[in-house]
Amino acid sequence: GDSVTQMEGPVTLSEEAFLTINCTYTATGYPSLFWYVQYPGEGLQLLLKATKADDKGSNKGFEATYRKETTSFHLEKGSVQVSDSAVYFCALSGGRNDMRFGAGTRLTV
Amino acid sequence: DGGITQSPKYLFRKEGQNVTLSCEQNLNHDAMYWYRQDPGQGLRLIYYSQIVNDFQKGDIAEGYSVSREKKESFPLTVTSAQKNPTAFYLCASSNYRVGGNQPQHFGDGTRLSIL
Repeated sequence: GDSVTQMEGPVTLSEEAFLTINCTYTATGYPSLFWYVQYPGEGLQLLLKATKADDKGSNKGFEATYRKETTSFHLEKGSVQVSDSAVYFCALSGGRNDMRFGAGTRLTV
Repeated sequence: DGGITQSPKYLFRKEGQNVTLSCEQNLNHDAMYWYRQDPGQGLRLIYYSQIVNDFQKGDIAEGYSVSREKKESFPLTVTSAQKNPTAFYLCASSNYRVGGNQPQHFGDGTRLSIL
């Protein structure tokens, strides 16, 4: 079945450092891909999404490009801030209206 | 503002007791979902509903029950059969489209603990 694998954390960075969180997926068909962010004690918030190959999702300085050839959707940010400290989840949605999530990566800045 | 409201924020369950977690949405979404999140883990799907009066089991439905009598509401009951209920429970909703690919919107969660 469909699945998502993301890099294990935790990730600890200094302020203004470059962030990459790797995410790869396995899916049949053409899923949409998402990044969600979860702050302590809260639910998940949609950070960005991409619906087809080569699409780039972006929001609040974060970017991710849907790479079908490598089945990847890595999250990047050029300069992290303390306020970016959170848990980040990669997810995919295929044709069944359900969503598969990665295990989450905790970022501490 | 539209959104998803989960209540209560914290809930305590005694041994042998059933408890019900509330989830209400005013986004006019067709589909609603319940997830369980354990520390350091991702989300696991408990139940989902794509239309009123219909719902399907997810990956970990044992010990849980749901109902979907109204489009806006999707309560989750954690029964006494669920032997390890301590977790963070998240409710979500989305539009329903043939072919899927819709983002889900989440509530702020309910943290359930055993007394």
